[in-house]
Amino acid sequence: NAGVTQTPKFRVLKTGQSMTLLCAQDMNHEYMYWYRQDPGMGLRLIHYSVGEGTTAKGEVPDGYNVSRLKKQNFLLGLESAAPSQTSVYFCASGQRGGKETQYFGPGTRLLVL
Amino acid sequence: AQTVTQSQPEMSVQEAETVTLSCTYDTSESDYYLFWYKQPPSRQMILVIRQEAYKQQNATENRFSVNFQKAAKSFSLKISDSQLGDAAMYFCACTSGTYKYIFGTGTRLKVLA
Repeated sequence: NAGVTQTPKFRVLKTGQSMTLLCAQDMNHEYMYWYRQDPGMGLRLIHYSVGEGTTAKGEVPDGYNVSRLKKQNFLLGLESAAPSQTSVYFCASGQRGGKETQYFGPGTRLLVL
Repeated sequence: AQTVTQSQPEMSVQEAETVTLSCTYDTSESDYYLFWYKQPPSRQMILVIRQEAYKQQNATENRFSVNFQKAAKSFSLKISDSQLGDAAMYFCACTSGTYKYIFGTGTRLKVLA
C-alpha cells in the first residue's frame, strides 16, 4: 500500500496562474481532507469530503475549490493563485471520519510569486 | 466551536530525560477524540498517540503517554527516555462527530545530546 500520495511535491506559480493538486489514497477511506500549514499557525482545514461526490468547506476555503469524483482521489484547485496561498498543503484520509486516525500525505510545497 | 491551544512554542530536553508537552482544548461535544501528531523535518505527519474522551484510562504507546484531564480539558504528552529522533514539531488535535479536526499551533521539541 502506498497510503496517501500527493502530486506534485513542489511547485512555483506566478500570481494569477491556476493549478490542481492531486491527492490519492489506496486505503478505501471514505473521508478525505485538504489542509494548509503556515508557520506559527498549525494545520488549517481548507475543504473536506465525507464520500465520493461530496465536498464541504473547512476553516479557510476562500480561493480554493475541490472535487471528489472518485473515492480514491481528492483534487484541490487554485483558480487564480495569490502570494497569500504560498504554503505547504497536506492531504489526509480517514476511515470513519472524525473518530479515527487520519493518515497524511507527504505534503506539497507551493510558492506563489 | 472547537479550539486547541498549545502554549509552548518550543521546548528542550536532554537526551534520556523526560519532557511534557502541554495542550488544552475546548469542545461542546461529549464524544470526541484527541491526538498527538509528530512532524519531523521530513514534514510527514505521524500519529504518536490517540485518546478517546469516553475512556478514563490514559493512553500509552511505548515511551509516549498522555495525561488526560477531562474536566480541565487538558491533554498533555509525556515523552520518557527522550531520543534524538524525537526532535520534531508536535501537534495536538481534537475531533468530534463533525468530521473536522482542529489542530494546535504546535510545539517544537529539541533534544540535546
